[in-house]
Amino acid sequence: RKEVEQDPGPFNVPEGATVAFNCTYSNSASQSFFWYRQDCRKEPKLLMSVYSSGNEDGRFTAQLNRASQYISLLIRDSKLSDSATYLCVVMRGGFKTIFGAGTRLFVKA
Amino acid sequence: GAVVSQHPSRVICKSGTSVKIECRSLDFQATTMFWYRQFPKQSLMLMATSNEGSKATYEQGVEKDKFLINHASLTLSTLTVTSAHPEDSSFYICSAQGTSGGGGVETQYFGPGTRLLVL
Repeated sequence: RKEVEQDPGPFNVPEGATVAFNCTYSNSASQSFFWYRQDCRKEPKLLMSVYSSGNEDGRFTAQLNRASQYISLLIRDSKLSDSATYLCVVMRGGFKTIFGAGTRLFVKA
Repeated sequence: GAVVSQHPSRVICKSGTSVKIECRSLDFQATTMFWYRQFPKQSLMLMATSNEGSKATYEQGVEKDKFLINHASLTLSTLTVTSAHPEDSSFYICSAQGTSGGGGVETQYFGPGTRLLVL
């Protein structure tokens, strides 16, 4: 079993839709959590950190449930430019960083 | 956010040659940098953790003699693919540990990557 698991998708949604991605992690010692976005043939870019209290950045909302070892990302009012692969990232023990395989999102007009 | 550069962005070489890739943190000092490899439609795979002034820590299955890492300063790490073969063709990405946002959360900032094609 992978330490960080994501549904690979792809998620195909129309513009304006709300879409949610889930991620689970297996190591309870995990300390920090992030969502990254990776466009095709590009490097990953930090989208947002994820906090237990939940955090929002514009159309993006991230949630962390430590008890269930579960992270989520909600995208509201999807734009064509949101099409990308979304990586769930977990950090533990200093610099040890584990990447999920990513969830692919296609937003269509 | 923090800026990481990587050079070259793309390289094509003949089998048997060595290729050096540079990773620089431009606006912050990074005592730790990371090297990843990504094959098409697959996730990032950590190859090694590069520590300034000391030997790199390689992940299981990564040949240290084939992938030479040097972290000579707080802003520069290099990866040299020695005696490259076609199966080494991949997208190589470096990252540097930095601080994100006002909360001071440590995270990784990625370079733009290097596409290596070995003929």
